[in-house]
Amino acid sequence: QKEVEQNSGPLSVPEGAIASLNCTYSDRGSQSFFWYRQYSGKSPELIMFIYSNGDKEDGRFTAQLNKASQYVSLLIRDSQPSDSATYLCAVKRYTGNQFYFGTGTSLTVIP
Amino acid sequence: KAGVTQTPRYLIKTRGQQVTLSCSPISGHRSVSWYQQTPGQGLQFLFEYFSETQRNKGNFPGRFSGRQFSNSRSEMNVSTLELGDSALYLCASSLRTDEAFFGQGTRLTVV
Repeated sequence: QKEVEQNSGPLSVPEGAIASLNCTYSDRGSQSFFWYRQYSGKSPELIMFIYSNGDKEDGRFTAQLNKASQYVSLLIRDSQPSDSATYLCAVKRYTGNQFYFGTGTSLTVIP
Repeated sequence: KAGVTQTPRYLIKTRGQQVTLSCSPISGHRSVSWYQQTPGQGLQFLFEYFSETQRNKGNFPGRFSGRQFSNSRSEMNVSTLELGDSALYLCASSLRTDEAFFGQGTRLTVV
């Protein structure tokens, strides 16, 4: 079983819609959860992180964490064509600085 | 503030050769981590260095090695290259555990 699993997509949404990206993780010892965005040919860039159960909002982005279900999600409101990218879910355990990444979900926002 | 700098950006090597990649972290960051990104496996952790010491290591063969210098710059070396080592190698630097800033990566092609 992979440490972090994501639906590879591709996920297509119309401009202005809400994009919902999901991620599950296998290690209950995971303590912190991250969403990265990676444009084609570029390096990953951090969107946001979440530690506690519930929702965390940052602009058009909302991260949701449910530790009981070992589930993390990212909602992108008012999706824009510039949001078209691969979204990587990553988790960290309590110790160490190692990220465990999912293989990413490709998102296309259609104008 | 300069970001994470990786050199070279592109490399083509022949099977059996060795290669050294370089990473200069953001000024003040003492933790440097290396990741391998391939289409099939996604981002996989290679190792992390902190204050010139390897703090954590992923599940890669001994052909993959690294080091960190007193100025926090890091190098990774791959000996006896195999075709399967073709990948994007990413370096990430961090000051805190809730962040990782990635460089643009080195694209290694083994022929």
